[in-house]
Amino acid sequence: SQTIHQWPATLVQPVGSPLSLECTVEGTSNPNLYWYRQAAGRGLQLLFYSVGIGQISSEVPQNLSASRPQDRQFILSSKKLLLSDSGFYLCAWRGLGGNTIYFGEGSWLTVV
Amino acid sequence: KQEVTQIPAALSVPEGENLVLNCSFTDSAIYNLQWFRQDPGKGLTSLLLIQSSQREQTSGRLNASLDKSSGRSTLYIAASQPGDSATYLCAVINDYKLSFGAGTTVTVRA
Repeated sequence: SQTIHQWPATLVQPVGSPLSLECTVEGTSNPNLYWYRQAAGRGLQLLFYSVGIGQISSEVPQNLSASRPQDRQFILSSKKLLLSDSGFYLCAWRGLGGNTIYFGEGSWLTVV
Repeated sequence: KQEVTQIPAALSVPEGENLVLNCSFTDSAIYNLQWFRQDPGKGLTSLLLIQSSQREQTSGRLNASLDKSSGRSTLYIAASQPGDSATYLCAVINDYKLSFGAGTTVTVRA
């Protein structure tokens, strides 16, 4: 069966520090991968999506970046965090030819 | 750009009552529509997926309908239970992307 792992689950980072959130999917090949952010009391905002290795599409210009170094690995990064980067970050995947999209458990980021 | 709206934003009902959650979208050229449940501080759990060619989908006490022409979907939850308390999100799939509504937060009172 397919599973999605996302880590770390929680982190507190100072302003200006770097960020790396990692997401991996097991049990499938060539999935579409997504990063979403959910700010407190707000809806989900699509940040990046990827349809293949090295293929990244950005939805919102900001100081975050994403990379897909392997087929089932998706990484969200920042060189210098801002206070406004605080939020709940969710990774999701959709299988090749599949319809349903599945989410990981999320990563809580607090920038202080 | 696809806009997704969910009404009401919050709903409180006594246990046993049926729930009706509404979702509307502006671009009817959708691929699929998916309903999710989110518990506080947790990720999203998929409830139902309706393909664009379908008009409804059922799973247990849950039934979701889709009317593409009017840009609407409705999630029905029969005989609500306190464990149904959560935020329910609908998402519309166009090409590779999901567009989410802000959600309806449901409280079922015992």
